Amino acid sequence: DAGITQSPRHKVTETGTPVTLRCHQTENHRYMYWYRQDPGHGLRLIHYSYGVKDTDKGEVSDGYSVSRSKTEDFLLTLESATSSQTSVYFCAISSNTDQPQHFGDGTRLSIL
Amino acid sequence: QQQVKQSPQSLIVQKGGISIINCAYENTAFDYFPWYQQFPGKGPALLIAIRPDVSEKKEGRFTISFNKSAKQFSLHIMDSQPGDSATYFCAAFLSPNAGKSTFGDGTTLTVKP
Repeated sequence: DAGITQSPRHKVTETGTPVTLRCHQTENHRYMYWYRQDPGHGLRLIHYSYGVKDTDKGEVSDGYSVSRSKTEDFLLTLESATSSQTSVYFCAISSNTDQPQHFGDGTRLSIL
Repeated sequence: QQQVKQSPQSLIVQKGGISIINCAYENTAFDYFPWYQQFPGKGPALLIAIRPDVSEKKEGRFTISFNKSAKQFSLHIMDSQPGDSATYFCAAFLSPNAGKSTFGDGTTLTVKP
């Protein structure tokens, strides 16, 4: 299995609080991605990174920000969490854009 | 905008039968088509993938059939087993644009013993 660790694995928080999810990889892959998975919507791309300090928006980026200060770490931040952001969040990595993406085991986030 | 449409949403197959899941895409620039398998509580895991220059790829009991002219591709699981019960996602990638990966909504497969 690809060396991807997501933390925390579960989190419950309240509306309006800031939340940061972490993705850590040991594969030295250039590309890292954040997805959210909701029933009936498959996986939707939030943000992605193509190198240290290089990030771009995906399909559903509103309300989220990301940072990548090291190759191995990609952080997803919800500045002020809303109930609509309750979801399962997956991090993925790939060595190049024409190579498969490998996923972590996800973070289940509940916002009350 | 749904760029990859996956069907059926759920599928029940008897042990030993053939499971078939279909996907249709719109953007002819997509150039990489993976299938992922996901078990409850785990992340999606790459199962098999194909590029548009081939019409079929087989790995063990899993086969992808690709029809470029129809903009469709499908996953066939031969001799389906209860352990294959999972959710399956098709996807379409557009290299070199990392932001253009798109996934189908998933198919929940149940293989009855």
